Amino acid sequence: GAVVSQHPSWVICKSGTSVKIECRSLDFQATTMFWYRQFPKQSLMLMATSNEGSKATYEQGVEKDKFLINHASLTLSTLTVTSAHPEDSSFYICSARDRASYYEQYFGPGTRLTVT
Amino acid sequence: RKEVEQDPGPFNVPEGATVAFNCTYSNSASQSFFWYRQDCRKEPKLLMSVYSSGNEDGRFTAQLNRASQYISLLIRDSKLSDSATYLCVVTDSWGKLQFGAGTQVVVTP
Repeated sequence: GAVVSQHPSWVICKSGTSVKIECRSLDFQATTMFWYRQFPKQSLMLMATSNEGSKATYEQGVEKDKFLINHASLTLSTLTVTSAHPEDSSFYICSARDRASYYEQYFGPGTRLTVT
Repeated sequence: RKEVEQDPGPFNVPEGATVAFNCTYSNSASQSFFWYRQDCRKEPKLLMSVYSSGNEDGRFTAQLNRASQYISLLIRDSKLSDSATYLCVVTDSWGKLQFGAGTQVVVTP
């Protein structure tokens, strides 16, 4: 089956620093990747949709200058949380959509970010 | 109002029993419907798609009621390994997934 990896799986950083999270599709080409955030006991919330080679589309209320997304190739998208604050602490999950499937998304294992 | 609403539970189920729960969605133009399973601190994993005629996958049965805008999941002969949070997921016409907050199921010995 389709595999999506994320790195790192968890990270602790100090307030004010930036953190980069990578999302890779390992055995398929992903024209579209999605970034979600999940707070405890809440649903996954879509942050942005990234298409290879173009700018990401951010959901309402998500600051594009704070959450920088780059989708440089068909197998890699990165999310950089800039100037992180404690309220950015969350579970960040990416997903990737295979070229062949319009609806099915394959999820990465997630990155747990803690900002102290 | 949330796009997708679920009873958070927990549903405490004796091993071997049957449990069922629903999810309602607000967008009548929703295209596709899924149940995902999420274990604690893990990513969601697709359990099954939900088709208009209803469908079954082993011990799991999913139903869709477009008129009332709800989908259901029934688990028969519950196993301890079925303990998880079950996420109701609905897509809109742009293919975006809308997640419910999940229904927690706890299967007890």
